Amino acid sequence: SQTIHQWPATLVQPVGSPLSLECTVEGTSNPNLYWYRQAAGRGLQLLFYSVGIGQISSEVPQNLSASRPQDRQFILSSKKLLLSDSGFYLCAWAGGYNEQFFGPGTRLTVL
Amino acid sequence: GQQLNQSPQSMFIQEGEDVSMNCTSSSIFNTWLWYKQDPGEGPVLLIALYKAGELTSNGRLTAQFGITRKDSFLNISASIPSDVGIYFCAGQARGSGNTGKLIFGQGTTLQVKP
Repeated sequence: SQTIHQWPATLVQPVGSPLSLECTVEGTSNPNLYWYRQAAGRGLQLLFYSVGIGQISSEVPQNLSASRPQDRQFILSSKKLLLSDSGFYLCAWAGGYNEQFFGPGTRLTVL
Repeated sequence: GQQLNQSPQSMFIQEGEDVSMNCTSSSIFNTWLWYKQDPGEGPVLLIALYKAGELTSNGRLTAQFGITRKDSFLNISASIPSDVGIYFCAGQARGSGNTGKLIFGQGTTLQVKP
């Protein structure tokens, strides 16, 4: 069966510090991968998606970047965090039927 | 960009009552999905719909893919306290290709009073 992992689960970072969130998927190959941000427990905003290794599409201009160094690994990064980057970050994967399956999320607080 | 209108925004009901929520779109969708999110966790897929008119059940949950392909509803029968959470509809619009991108509704927050 397929599983998706995200770490860390929670993170508190100062403004201006770098960020790296990691997402890995097990039990499937060549998945589509997605990063979402959720503010205040409502509404999922798609940040990036990837249909293959090294292929990244950005949905909204922002202070973040994404990379896919391996087939089942998706990384969300920032060089300098802003207060507005605080939120709940969710990674998801999709197979052949367009159903997306979400990871447990990372709660990021920027102070 | 494309948006889904999900309603109601919130519901506060008595345990045992039935619940209904729906989503509408201005464009045609190929897929409709319904998710539930518990506090502090990722959304969990409840039901997936792929054909216009399709009616699918998962326990006490029933969802339908609208005939016009622009709407979907989710019903929960005989609600229980563990039904509490945020319910999201999501759809894949025609023309999204191999991206698998979904458009999400804004969610319906459900509270159940024992």
